[in-house]
Amino acid sequence: GAVVSQHPSWVICKSGTSVKIECRSLDFQATTMFWYRQFPKQSLMLMATSNEGSKATYEQGVEKDKFLINHASLTLSTLTVTSAHPEDSSFYICSAYPRDYIQGTQYFGPGTRLLVL
Amino acid sequence: KQEVTQIPAALSVPEGENLVLNCSFTDSAIYNLQWFRQDPGKGLTSLLLIQSSQREQTSGRLNASLDKSSGRSTLYIAASQPGDSATYLCAVTQGGSEKLVFGKGTKLTVNP
Repeated sequence: GAVVSQHPSWVICKSGTSVKIECRSLDFQATTMFWYRQFPKQSLMLMATSNEGSKATYEQGVEKDKFLINHASLTLSTLTVTSAHPEDSSFYICSAYPRDYIQGTQYFGPGTRLLVL
Repeated sequence: KQEVTQIPAALSVPEGENLVLNCSFTDSAIYNLQWFRQDPGKGLTSLLLIQSSQREQTSGRLNASLDKSSGRSTLYIAASQPGDSATYLCAVTQGGSEKLVFGKGTKLTVNP
């Protein structure tokens, strides 16, 4: 089956530092990946759509200069949280769907929990 | 703007009980609706996907129904087991877009 991995699964960092999170599709090629954020007891909220070889599309209210997304290959998208602050502490999840996908079939990574001190 | 609501927020039942989780959405012009399962600190597992033209989908002990006109879906779990304990999320897509709009989820606990 289609597998999406994320690395790291856990990260703790100091306020002001940058953190990079990787999302990989292990056994399929993904032209599009999505990045979500989930605060405790809240819904998953879409942050941005990552398109291979082009700029990401950000949802309203998400700062593109703070959350840098790079989708350099068909199997890898990265999310960099720049100058992280405690309010950025959250659970970040990516998803991807294969190029020959069935509408609605997204595969989710296991998530990355970020804690900014 | 599409909003998805799930009721109840939490549910605790004894093992073996049949149960229903509810999901409602404000804009009935959806493309499809999905139910996911999320275990603590984990990613999501898709359980059932219902296209807008369908009324229900079944997988094992799970049955999901969709009433698009009223903006409602239910997830029925038969003969619940402790392993069913998780948070169940409902999400919709619109207009052929792959963007998912999620509800906050229902946290289910099945007690042995």
